[in-house]
Amino acid sequence: EAQVTQNPRYLITVTGKKLTVTCSQNMNHEYMSWYRQDPGLGLRQIYYSMNVEVTDKGDVPEGYKVSRKEKRNFPLILESPSPNQTSLYFCASSLSTRTGGFSYEQYFGPGTRLTVT
Amino acid sequence: SQQGEEDPQALSIQEGENATMNCSYKTSINNLQWYRQNSGRGLVHLILIRSNEREKHSGRLRVTLDTSKKSSSLLITASRAADTASYFCATDAERYSTLTFGKGTMLLVSP
Repeated sequence: EAQVTQNPRYLITVTGKKLTVTCSQNMNHEYMSWYRQDPGLGLRQIYYSMNVEVTDKGDVPEGYKVSRKEKRNFPLILESPSPNQTSLYFCASSLSTRTGGFSYEQYFGPGTRLTVT
Repeated sequence: SQQGEEDPQALSIQEGENATMNCSYKTSINNLQWYRQNSGRGLVHLILIRSNEREKHSGRLRVTLDTSKKSSSLLITASRAADTASYFCATDAERYSTLTFGKGTMLLVSP
């Protein structure tokens, strides 16, 4: 079954304790992305990756790191989490667009609900 | 930064009625997509419409695009309780290589 998986699904942690949220897709997609969703703010992009070893900042990259060493995996790293990073996080993937804008649908993971106290 | 803005923010209807949601955006686009999100779950792609298209259908969904007004609408006909969800539009205007999502319309369909 074609899918994007995220782990963990729920995480409660304390300020400053480094954490990693994993994301994996089995569709051989080049493009992967991380979003955070907050009430009243909608979905905002954190980082995205057009292909292996190619990453770029989205709208809200501060406090986050990513890496893309393999095509299927795109982990999100919070080196020193703070309470303002409490949010619902989504990973997504799609085929990569070369021309004509973003012309492929994105497949989303089930989400990771993170609470930082 | 927010590109698409959905309107209304919330919509409550009865089963069998039609639901219309609108999306406005600020700058020229190549493509516009609509997604659905059931409470707290991942978004699901509904339909993509290209800038040179005016209307597109998929089952009970009808999407229109008016590039002169920089707006799109999503019509769900004969709504069902299972259509209760949040609906988001997403455009590729700001950065060619990414999608920017609006804040969504919450649709409640009552039996």
